[in-house]
Amino acid sequence: ELKVEQNPLFLSMQEGKNYTIYCNYSTTSDRLYWYRQDPGKSLESLFVLLSNGAVKQEGRLMASLDTKARLSTLHITAAVHDLSATYFCAVDERKKYGGSQGNLIFGKGTKLSVKP
Amino acid sequence: DAGVIQSPRHEVTEMGQEVTLRCKPISGHDYLFWYRQTMMRGLELLIYFNNNVPIDDSGMPEDRFSAKMPNASFSTLKIQPSEPRDSAVYFCASSRPGRAYGYTFGSGTRLTVV
Repeated sequence: ELKVEQNPLFLSMQEGKNYTIYCNYSTTSDRLYWYRQDPGKSLESLFVLLSNGAVKQEGRLMASLDTKARLSTLHITAAVHDLSATYFCAVDERKKYGGSQGNLIFGKGTKLSVKP
Repeated sequence: DAGVIQSPRHEVTEMGQEVTLRCKPISGHDYLFWYRQTMMRGLELLIYFNNNVPIDDSGMPEDRFSAKMPNASFSTLKIQPSEPRDSAVYFCASSRPGRAYGYTFGSGTRLTVV
């Protein structure tokens, strides 16, 4: 059974600082997704990582995937208040002999609060 | 593209009543997912469909929950009878073939059972 663990679950940052959110998963997968959720809102897709070594950047956020380590990171550079939200990673559950099961398994989310 | 459309946005009902949540996926998307989100349990996959066929309903908590997808443009999630512990935000999501773009989520239905 695929398990997805994020850490930290809560992160309080000062504006201008850098930090990294980690996402570990328990079984083989080469597809990983990052989402953002604002309070009371839906989930918004941030990054789709489809291969080992994939790196995507958008503004102050950069995501990477290491399929051998079963680890993805979401790096925040020079945080600003607008980045305050909950960030989820999700992993495409794979079948035993290859191919996708068709569903994503989500981590519990990292609640980020950026303070001035 | 109007995105994934869910209705209602909010639902307040009394315990024991039937509740029906609705979802219209994005045209051309072949997967549809129902998730439930609570503070305690996070995001839980309830059921998902591929080409209108239910693939995995192992996340449906009890027989009180049922889901249908009669055609490619509509799905329902029904709770009968509802209980206070069913209070949560229910999200519908859809994805296109290959899922290289991940899921697109609807705005969710906030259900409160009193």
